[in-house]
Amino acid sequence: QQPVQSPQAVILREGEDAVINCSSSKALYSVHWYRQKHGEAPVFLMILLKGGEQKGHDKISASFNEKKQQSSLYLTASQLSYSGTYFCGTDQTGANNLFFGTGTRLTVIP
Amino acid sequence: EAQVTQNPRYLITVTGKKLTVTCSQNMNHEYMSWYRQDPGLGLRQIYYSMNVEVTDKGDVPEGYKVSRKEKRNFPLILESPSPNQTSLYFCASSLSRTDSYEQYFGPGTRLTVT
Repeated sequence: QQPVQSPQAVILREGEDAVINCSSSKALYSVHWYRQKHGEAPVFLMILLKGGEQKGHDKISASFNEKKQQSSLYLTASQLSYSGTYFCGTDQTGANNLFFGTGTRLTVIP
Repeated sequence: EAQVTQNPRYLITVTGKKLTVTCSQNMNHEYMSWYRQDPGLGLRQIYYSMNVEVTDKGDVPEGYKVSRKEKRNFPLILESPSPNQTSLYFCASSLSRTDSYEQYFGPGTRLTVT
């Protein structure tokens, strides 16, 4: 039930864009995205509910394709502060029980 | 300040010595959960609780116990720890048990069992 994330790791230069994908074999109620910096707790970025709504804030946005059970996180004009490991968490029932992917390590270099 | 607290933050113990990791939230959240994080495996849910006195198993519950006697507290108990329980543990809470809301994570507890 664990979703599959890709890529596993990516290195960007400041200002470049990145896309992180999350795919599930199960029907989903929602997809969560979190970012974790080294030695810290995961921090919530956004939730996407079934309905295919695209959300975003600042230069980080995400989409959810309900039919394909896939979500993508878009990071545009990356900043050094974007570095960290990104996790998607999938909720199949709306009861908040999340299955997390294994993460995508994003490194932004000057 | 709204937060989830965990204690202790670091713990080194020996095989078989019972231990408890406490978790407390001050946001009046209904839903609480425990995860363990291991390299390459992401976050895996151990137990969760949808309300006081209501707990249920997550993905990897073997070797763990929990209780939810008060809304704010959700301790994780290892009755007889083993080296394969060496991990980074996170407690999390969320507003509702009936819909999908963001989860707030505690700072983590790094446990080493020798």
